[in-house]
Amino acid sequence: QVQLQESGPGLVKPSETLSLTCTVSGDSISSDYWSWIRQPPGKGLEWIGYVYYSGSPNYNPSLRSRVTISVDTSKNQFSLKLTSVTAADTAVYYCARLMGSGIFDYWGQGTLVTVSS
Amino acid sequence: IQLTQSPSSLSASVGDRVTITCRASQGISSFLAWYQQKPGKAPKLLIYAASTLQSGVPSRFSGSGSGTDFTLTISSLQPEDFATYYCQQFDTYPLTFGGGTKVEIK
Repeated sequence: QVQLQESGPGLVKPSETLSLTCTVSGDSISSDYWSWIRQPPGKGLEWIGYVYYSGSPNYNPSLRSRVTISVDTSKNQFSLKLTSVTAADTAVYYCARLMGSGIFDYWGQGTLVTVSS
Repeated sequence: IQLTQSPSSLSASVGDRVTITCRASQGISSFLAWYQQKPGKAPKLLIYAASTLQSGVPSRFSGSGSGTDFTLTISSLQPEDFATYYCQQFDTYPLTFGGGTKVEIK
């Protein structure tokens, strides 16, 4: 059974960098595509980007200038960094496995990140 | 590609037949998925390729459509089906989701 678990600070100050890690179990990080999705409180879902263990990541153009997604194969983890955050980046952040076709079949439980001073 | 779901919310009773619509701003063939999200939980994949039921999903859920117009149907609403439903297109990057349809108890 594939399981994903997000970890990282729940509070980030404005203008700083949001950093989250997703630990994958039950699957090799080198076997699939891995993605981050976020959901502001009470709102809908926004795809942030995906990474494969080899090749270039693919980011949502709306966030591309501020986002980096990377893979650590030795730890079976992948990570999200979002720079220059504002209150608009407050959201529940989910990591998910992205099937090659473009759908998300396994999700982490999500972690709320609040941007506030 | 923008996805517009309707209605944004609906009230229904257990046993009712429920239909949710998702319209794409341009043709996406059958590259559409549906997810169910309960409060405080991650979305769960229900249907992909417009009409293929994900393993383990009850057969009362069905999907149809192609091109720009899609529907998710719950044939007989059960208590555990009260949730928010999202469509997602995977025809073109960036991947996008609809705004969601909240199914509430009447």
